[in-house]
Amino acid sequence: TQLLEQSPQFLSIQEGENLTVYCNSSSVFSSLQWYRQEPGEGPVLLVTVVTGGEVKKLKRLTFQFGDARKDSSLHITAAQPGDTGLYLCAGGETSYDKVIFGPGTSLSVIP
Amino acid sequence: EAQVTQNPRYLITVTGKKLTVTCSQNMNHEYMSWYRQDPGLGLRQIYYSMNVEVTDKGDVPEGYKVSRKEKRNFPLILESPSPNQTSLYFCASSSVGGSVGELFFGEGSRLTVL
Repeated sequence: TQLLEQSPQFLSIQEGENLTVYCNSSSVFSSLQWYRQEPGEGPVLLVTVVTGGEVKKLKRLTFQFGDARKDSSLHITAAQPGDTGLYLCAGGETSYDKVIFGPGTSLSVIP
Repeated sequence: EAQVTQNPRYLITVTGKKLTVTCSQNMNHEYMSWYRQDPGLGLRQIYYSMNVEVTDKGDVPEGYKVSRKEKRNFPLILESPSPNQTSLYFCASSSVGGSVGELFFGEGSRLTVL
């Protein structure tokens, strides 16, 4: 059974700090996605990573897919209050599999 | 504007009273799906549909029904709601099924069953 774990579950930091959140699995995934969900809204896709070792940058956000395609990380540089939200990783063992979601990391950035 | 629209956004009902949560998308997507979101459990798939008249069970289908008579609509039906179905529900659509397509989510429907 595919399972995605995320850590930490909760994170509260001051504006301007850096942070990293993690997504791990015992299974190999063909791709991993990161979504951000703001309070009262549905998740919105941030990035999809498909190649082991791949690094993608989206402004202050850096996403990395592990070499073995079992884990991924999201690093935020100089966090801002607008980064507050629930960060969900999602993926499938093959591109044809349905996507499964991790439980999420709830990030709060305090001004 | 491309969007997924769910109604109602909030609903309080009682055990056993049938209800329907509607979902409509205007992006001509073939794939649609329903999820429930509970604290600490993330998003769990209830049902999904790869195309019109094609539906399949997700991970937690018990107590739910769906239909896909039109491409744009994918209603979620609770025939006899129970308190353990109290949750936040999301409808999503994508141009492709599988794990690489981008899912577009509605704003969610918060359901409370008393």
